[in-house]
Amino acid sequence: DAKTTQPTSMDCAEGRAANLPCNHSTISGNEYVYWYRQIHSQGPQYIIHGLKNNETNEMASLIITEDRKSSTLILPHATLRDTAVYYCIVRVENGNQFYFGTGTSLTVIP
Amino acid sequence: DAGITQSPRHKVTETGTPVTLRCHQTENHRYMYWYRQDPGHGLRLIHYSYGVKDTDKGEVSDGYSVSRSKTEDFLLTLESATSSQTSVYFCAISSGGAGDTQYFGPGTRLTVL
Repeated sequence: DAKTTQPTSMDCAEGRAANLPCNHSTISGNEYVYWYRQIHSQGPQYIIHGLKNNETNEMASLIITEDRKSSTLILPHATLRDTAVYYCIVRVENGNQFYFGTGTSLTVIP
Repeated sequence: DAGITQSPRHKVTETGTPVTLRCHQTENHRYMYWYRQDPGHGLRLIHYSYGVKDTDKGEVSDGYSVSRSKTEDFLLTLESATSSQTSVYFCAISSGGAGDTQYFGPGTRLTVL
């Protein structure tokens, strides 16, 4: 599975959009981009995933560049409860493992 | 949230003792996974199951065994616990369909003294 690169940490003001970048320059055609987050020591929580088109759900939007080498997770109106570690993962369709890496620690500031 | 429970949620044990962790799901998903999470390593796959009695090794399987006798339960056994197995263990499930998603349980914190 392709390796991902994320910033170690980011801050975002409460109520503003949080834009979390991810580079996956070695991604191949059948690999999906997934985003999870982990709050404190809870189990990772699924946020969103996509193959090549932009995706939106009730939690977030996922923007994937046309060459698929990078993506951005957007939390449109960050709240204090969005403070967490966010993981960008690339895996083969129906692959057996998610490689979580160390993620981005997002802190939402009041 | 997906119906996944793990038991126990916390356990302290001594080196050399056997330990079994249980993952139970109510979603009837085909795939079940065991991960461990350690500082600086993210989550690493230990073993996974793709059906009843069908299991395979993951990235860090040494010292662990698993069993799945029915769809809803996936057991992780440490035959003789060591201090290096002190970790937080997460179970996950997935349906296995195209573009499927893994859903994670709440975790078990294991301390081996």
